[in-house]
Order: sequence, then structure tokens, then C-alpha cells
Amino acid sequence: EVRLVESGGGLIQPGGSLRLSCAASGFTVSSNYMSWVRQAPGKGLEWVSVIYSGGATYYADSVKGRFTISRDNSKNTLYLQMNSLRAEDTAVYYCARDKGIVGPHDYWGQGTLVTVSS
Amino acid sequence: DIEMTQSPSSVSASVGDRVTITCRASQGISSWLAWYQQKPGKAPKVLIYDASNLQSGVPSRFSGSGSGTDFTLTISSLQPEDFATYYCQQANSFPYTFGQGTKLEIK
Repeated sequence: EVRLVESGGGLIQPGGSLRLSCAASGFTVSSNYMSWVRQAPGKGLEWVSVIYSGGATYYADSVKGRFTISRDNSKNTLYLQMNSLRAEDTAVYYCARDKGIVGPHDYWGQGTLVTVSS
Repeated sequence: DIEMTQSPSSVSASVGDRVTITCRASQGISSWLAWYQQKPGKAPKVLIYDASNLQSGVPSRFSGSGSGTDFTLTISSLQPEDFATYYCQQANSFPYTFGQGTKLEIK
């Protein structure tokens, strides 16, 4: 059974850093395309980043230069390192497995809430 | 960036109704479009991918069509569990943008 479990969210001050983790089971993270998608409270979905099986990474303009997606193959875990956090980064962050290079996000975690506030 | 515009933003319907939601891309995206359903407090769930392919396990009352810039999601006969918010997403080019969502409410 495919399962994704996010962790690492919480309350952080503006300008701070946080690392989100997404532990996967039932499949191999390094063999798949993996994404982060976020949703601000009461708002719609926003795609954040993707890492390809070959290691290439892509980011939304809103997070480029501040967020880094990575994975640990030995732990079968996806990460999102978030630096220079802003109030507008406040959201539930979901990790998702992608069906293919242009495939949909076919499996999602339950999400972890990041609140950026002083 | 490619802008995705859904219409309507909200719709009220009854069990058994046929409902159609439209998604328009600001430029051509071939058939690289997915539809998601999201219920309050839950992660989204993919319904349709590549514009018209039904994701495994999704009821056949859901269907998708379109290519280029104009796409539709149709629910042929609404069931109580279908009342939710629906999003389209393009996967033609980065960033993979979502529509603003369509909230489907019970009439």
C-alpha cells in the first residue's frame, strides 16, 4: 500500500527556516517523480516544487531561491528545506507522488501545517 | 506562467443532477490536464488525468474532455459524496498551475 506521511510543520517566525519531511512506504521515492503542493488557509492549491527520478528539480517562482527539494534514498524520504520564510508561506504543505513526468499527483500525504508569524 | 480559469466558482446542484465544470488555459496545454476533488480537511484526490483518462478506482460518472485551451469535467449523476471542491491543474509547463477551484454545493 502506498503511503506518504509528512512531518516538520509548526510555528516559525518570519525569516526563519524549517525542513519538512515526507516518509514514503509502498514504493521507492528515488524511482518516482515527487512533488510538494501547498494550500494557504481557505485558499486554493499551489504547486511548489518537483524532483525527478533523475534528480532534476523545479520550483514555483514564489519559492525559487528560498526552498530546496531533496530526497534521502536510504530513508525513502522526501524533504523540503524552507529558508527565509514569509507570512505568505503559511499553508498546509502536501507531498505527493506523480504518476509520471507529466502525470498527475496520484498519491498524497495528509499534509503538515506551516505557520509563519511573529 | 499559464493561468487556469475555472467556471463557475461555485455551483449548487441536487443529487442525481448532471454537472459540468469548465477549465480554460491561458495558452495551449495539449492534453496535459488533471482534475482533482478535495473535501474539507482532506488531501486532494485525482479524478481525471491527461484530460480524459479516468484514474483507477474513480467512479465512471466522472468524465473529462477537451484539449488545447478548453476542458470540462462532467459528473453525470451527482451522488451525496460528490459535494466537494474541484480543481484543474495543467502539467504542460512549469509552474504546474491550478485553477482557483469550483465549490459544488448541495441545493
